[in-house]
Amino acid sequence: GESVGLHLPTLSVQEGDNSIINCAYSNSASDYFIWYKQESGKGPQFIIDIRSNMDKRQGQRVTVLLNKTVKHLSLQIAATQPGDSAVYFCAEHTGGFKTIFGAGTRLFVKA
Amino acid sequence: DVKVTQSSRYLVKRTGEKVFLECVQDMDHENMFWYRQDPGLGLRLIYFSYDVKMKEKGDIPEGYSVSREKKERFSLILESASTNQTSMYLCASSLLDRVNIQYFGAGTRLSVL
Repeated sequence: GESVGLHLPTLSVQEGDNSIINCAYSNSASDYFIWYKQESGKGPQFIIDIRSNMDKRQGQRVTVLLNKTVKHLSLQIAATQPGDSAVYFCAEHTGGFKTIFGAGTRLFVKA
Repeated sequence: DVKVTQSSRYLVKRTGEKVFLECVQDMDHENMFWYRQDPGLGLRLIYFSYDVKMKEKGDIPEGYSVSREKKERFSLILESASTNQTSMYLCASSLLDRVNIQYFGAGTRLSVL
């Protein structure tokens, strides 16, 4: 069946370092790939998305890279801050109302 | 500021009870969604609505129903709660043609005993 991402892994980074969160997807027909951030006790929050016809998109301190050859998506966070500690979900919009979410990656930022 | 509000943060119900989870959005969004979130499984879509009185089944609709009588409100109903419905329930909304950007509520953690 369709799947995005892996079981919840954990990434621990030092404050000020760059973070890279990775995700694998399986549906080649998806038109958008999306990253959400979920802080403790809150619902997921949209961070950034990328269309399938793009390789890279930059936002404020975040960059998303899409490699369609190997079906890989990554989120890079520059100068990671304590407020970046959260669970990050990758997701793919497969058409219509359907979005498939990954299980998430937990990011810990060490002060 | 965009807001999706879920009526309860925590609920404890007994097996067999009828449970209502309410969600309200103030962004005039056409689309509304109900997901459940379980550890290691990500978010799974229960039901979706793109307009008043319209609904579509998601991936796991069994044991659930929904109601959308007003554009801003989307209710999830557990007709007869069971222990395997213990979970975190998340409501979301989006513009009609922007399903890729969804706005989520804070979630309702439901425990069925």
